[in-house]
Amino acid sequence: AQTVTQSQPEMSVQEAETVTLSCTYDTSENNYYLFWYKQPPSRQMILVIRQEAYKQQNATENRFSVNFQKAAKSFSLKISDSQLGDTAMYFCAFMETSSGTYKYIFGTGTRLKVLA
Amino acid sequence: DAGVIQSPRHEVTEMGQEVTLRCKPISGHDYLFWYRQTMMRGLELLIYFNNNVPIDDSGMPEDRFSAKMPNASFSTLKIQPSEPRDSAVYFCASSYIRGPQETQYFGPGTRLLVL
Repeated sequence: AQTVTQSQPEMSVQEAETVTLSCTYDTSENNYYLFWYKQPPSRQMILVIRQEAYKQQNATENRFSVNFQKAAKSFSLKISDSQLGDTAMYFCAFMETSSGTYKYIFGTGTRLKVLA
Repeated sequence: DAGVIQSPRHEVTEMGQEVTLRCKPISGHDYLFWYRQTMMRGLELLIYFNNNVPIDDSGMPEDRFSAKMPNASFSTLKIQPSEPRDSAVYFCASSYIRGPQETQYFGPGTRLLVL
């Protein structure tokens, strides 16, 4: 069964600094997708970034980038120039596609606090 | 687009009462998902639909929970009778097959408190 592990329950970073959130996953599939979602205090789940497993190039979205290591089954999120608005829970999610389903497996989340 | 719409945003009810949560997916989306989020169990997929048909309901905790999707623009999640342990935030999400269907767009959630 696929699993997603986020080993850092809480992290903090100074405003304008860079922080990296870790995520590892376990699967025997070759085709899958990985996501990072942000959940601010409002509880809204917001897509931050997605990565297709068949792409070697790491995805980037403005200040957010990932380090995707397929062999190591690692998918970390780097936030550059951290802003106070980045304070939120961050969830890593995995979805495999070979079975034709579109089910996400979520990690337990990392609570990030950006300090002024 | 207005995004995924959920109602009510907050619900407080007493144990034993029926609770109905509502979701309107993004127009054109043909997948709809219901999730539950609690501190203890995190985010759990309860059920999902494709073209209004339930595909996988293995996450539905018990018979007290039921979900329907009578048309492409509306779905309900019903709990009858409700229990205090059902207290959680319930999210609806949708995605579409013609685009990046792997990406799910979430609604704002319904915070349910069962007393």
